[in-house]
This record gives sequence, structure tokens and C-alpha cells, in this order.
Amino acid sequence: GAGVSQSPSNKVTEKGKDVELRCDPISGHTALYWYRQSLGQGLEFLIYFQGNSAPDKSGLPSDRFSAERTGGSVSTLTIQRTQQEDSAVYLCASSPGTVSYEQYFGPGTRLTVT
Amino acid sequence: GQNIDQPTEMTATEGAIVQINCTYQTSGFNGLFWYQQHAGEAPTFLSYNVLDGLEEKGRFSSFLSRSKGYSYLLLKELQMKDSASYLCAVSRVSGTYKYIFGTGTRLKVLA
Repeated sequence: GAGVSQSPSNKVTEKGKDVELRCDPISGHTALYWYRQSLGQGLEFLIYFQGNSAPDKSGLPSDRFSAERTGGSVSTLTIQRTQQEDSAVYLCASSPGTVSYEQYFGPGTRLTVT
Repeated sequence: GQNIDQPTEMTATEGAIVQINCTYQTSGFNGLFWYQQHAGEAPTFLSYNVLDGLEEKGRFSSFLSRSKGYSYLLLKELQMKDSASYLCAVSRVSGTYKYIFGTGTRLKVLA
């Protein structure tokens, strides 16, 4: 079956512009995660959605970052007024349930802020 | 606070055995995951431990000691394709930051 998909695969934007990153999770997966990975670094947790519960936004680095998940499926991560330090690979993952389940990762969106 | 430590880099020879350690400190611990990440690719799931002990899956095994906050990933009969980063991740049942990843161990397998 289809895995997690993300779009765009690459995004180059100018400092100060807004960007939207999209994630399509595996159908039926109730949990969805966003992470950020800088070159040679580990995964930095950003936000977690589980079913209809309020999302865990504890990892969002600033109020320029926001995310939503519509209809319990597709998710969009929005970064407003991008800064150069936002340059990273943004990974989305989904899982069938809560924290006892493995995560399935999408291919990521490489964001470059010039 | 929450903390996960693993070595930054390891080198081993094809056909050998390598053990990658991970220590963690966290509240609300649920379980520990290992993921493999090849350069430029997304992480893929390797193993999950929730109880103490060893879980074996082919050439890969993972061990957990909840009381010591310690896990290791054991790779046997190393192959060149095992050259990758290995990420240790802790899941939590309470509090924020439901998933915490270590910075990863970069494994180089030499011929």
C-alpha cells in the first residue's frame, strides 16, 4: 500500500516568506508527527497529533511555526517569516496508534531559506 | 529533563559484530525504539522494546534495561549496506514530547 508522502520534496524560499509543507499519512493511521532534522543531527520533535485529541505542540520552536491536521488525515506545517536557521529537512511520520507503535516516515521536505 | 545519549560514530569490519549503546533519562517512559537511517533517506523501524530483555530479529537484536535506563542494538554479520545512522528513540506515556530521539550513531562498515 501507499506509504507516507510529503510535498514538496524540495523548497527554496527567501528569508521572510511563508512556507507550507504538506504530509499525507498512511490511511487509517491515527497518529501523525512532524520532526525537523538539521544536517548531521538527530530528529527534533515539533508536533504530534493523535486522533481528535488536542495536539502536543510542545516542540514547536517559536510562534512562527504552526500545524494543522484536517479531517484526521492530511497535515500542513506552516512556517511564517522564514529565517535561515529554519533550513532543515522536515520529516512527517504516522503510526496506527499511540506511543507503543512504530512510526512510518515520509521522504521529507528539504527546506532552504536564502 | 529528558536526555538520550549514544555514541556519535562507530567503525566496524564487514562480518564482525557491533554493539551500539543508548542511555536515557526521562519521566513517563513507555518503550524504546531503534531506527536505521541511510544518508539522505528517512528513518526506518528496526526494533521496539518495552520489557526488560533481549529481542532478536534476524541479524539485529535489541536489549533493554528499564531500571538502568539503558539499551543496546547488536548487529551481527555486518554487511556494507549496514553503514547508516542508528537512532535510539524513547516514547513516553505522559507529559509532552511523546517521542524523543537521540542524535544517532553513524556506523561505518569497512571491507
